[in-house]
Amino acid sequence: EDQVTQSPEALRLQEGESSSLNCSYTVSGLRGLFWYRQDPGKGPEFLFTLYSAGEEKEKERLKATLTKKESFLHITAPKPEDSATYLCAVQASGTYKYIFGTGTRLKVLA
Amino acid sequence: DTGVSQNPRHKITKRGQNVTFRCDPISEHNRLYWYRQTLGQGPEFLTYFQNEAQLEKSRLLSDRFSAERPKGSFSTLEIQRTEQGDSAMYLCASTQSWTSGMETQYFGPGTRLLVL
Repeated sequence: EDQVTQSPEALRLQEGESSSLNCSYTVSGLRGLFWYRQDPGKGPEFLFTLYSAGEEKEKERLKATLTKKESFLHITAPKPEDSATYLCAVQASGTYKYIFGTGTRLKVLA
Repeated sequence: DTGVSQNPRHKITKRGQNVTFRCDPISEHNRLYWYRQTLGQGPEFLTYFQNEAQLEKSRLLSDRFSAERPKGSFSTLEIQRTEQGDSAMYLCASTQSWTSGMETQYFGPGTRLLVL
């Protein structure tokens, strides 16, 4: 069964303290892996799509990477406004259904 | 605002009542998705449409749930005979597919349902 596991569940960082979030996946052929940010009470906001192992995408302080089994979301010198839940999702080959992980709740302290 | 919109934003109902939610996707998007999200969990796939065709439906969706997308435009999600376990945020998303195979999914703000 297709599955997505995110770790850690929660992470507290000091402002400027870089770290990485992990997304491990099991899927019968990967169509794409997606990262989203979700603020409390709002819908998820699209960040990145990765399609093949070795691919990397960057946006401001965020960088997403992909291997055949997992993806990392690297946060460099985070700021308090980066505090949110970060969600990972996959699409398997042959379907356009998205399977989400449970997310990592990030808190960045000033 | 040209994003995905959902109505109502909040709904409180009594157990056993029927409720209907509406989603208006971004106009040029051909795929539309419904998800359910409970506290501390990621969005749980319910169903998706490509234009007006409902192509996939979650096995977790009971017979009390039904969705439509007439004419491939807006969509409605109906829950019949609501139960307290249906209390959740219901999210709608739409997707633009490119000829390259890449796609981007945009979410609406959600409808928060509370069943008393």
